[in-house]
Amino acid sequence: EAQVTQNPRYLITVTGKKLTVTCSQNMNHEYMSWYRQDPGLGLRQIYYSMNVEVTDKGDVPEGYKVSRKEKRNFPLILESPSPNQTSLYFCASSIWEKRDEQFFGPGTRLTVL
Amino acid sequence: AQSVTQLGSHVSVSEGALVLLRCNYSSSVPPYLFWYVQYPNQGLQLLLKYTTGATLVKGINGFEAEFKKSETSFHLTKPSAHMSDAAEYFCAVSEGSGGYNKLIFGAGTRLAVHP
Repeated sequence: EAQVTQNPRYLITVTGKKLTVTCSQNMNHEYMSWYRQDPGLGLRQIYYSMNVEVTDKGDVPEGYKVSRKEKRNFPLILESPSPNQTSLYFCASSIWEKRDEQFFGPGTRLTVL
Repeated sequence: AQSVTQLGSHVSVSEGALVLLRCNYSSSVPPYLFWYVQYPNQGLQLLLKYTTGATLVKGINGFEAEFKKSETSFHLTKPSAHMSDAAEYFCAVSEGSGGYNKLIFGAGTRLAVHP
């Protein structure tokens, strides 16, 4: 089954404790992206990747890092989480030619205390 | 920069009633427009999209949307709501040359369907 998976689905952590949210897709998509969803703000792009070893900032990259060492994986790293990063996070992927028709993962709900 | 405005963060309808979710966009070039749906505890799914050509676009589950350039609108409709339509709906515009580029999302409209 074609899908985007994220782990963990739920995470409660404390300020400053490094964490990683994994994202994996099995569709051989070139393009991958991370979004955060906040009430009243919709989805905002954090980082995206056009292919292996090629990443770039989205609209709200501060406090986040990403890497793309393999085509299927695109982890999101929070080196020192803060409470304002409490949010619902989505990973998405697509073929390069259709970057606006993205397949979304189920989401990761992160709470930073 | 392009932007998307969804009028009404919450819409409630009766089962069988017309669904109308409003979306207006701002763009200096012909836009590519999208509606995504998010069912509870799931990621977003593409519902329908407009790129070029026919301005009335049909999507999955009986939804359709009409691109009206003069009104800069892309409202989503469904003639008869079903309980399973309860979800959050996001309008989006594609930003960038050639249309295929970064998605800009609206804030979302949560649709409730009651018996």
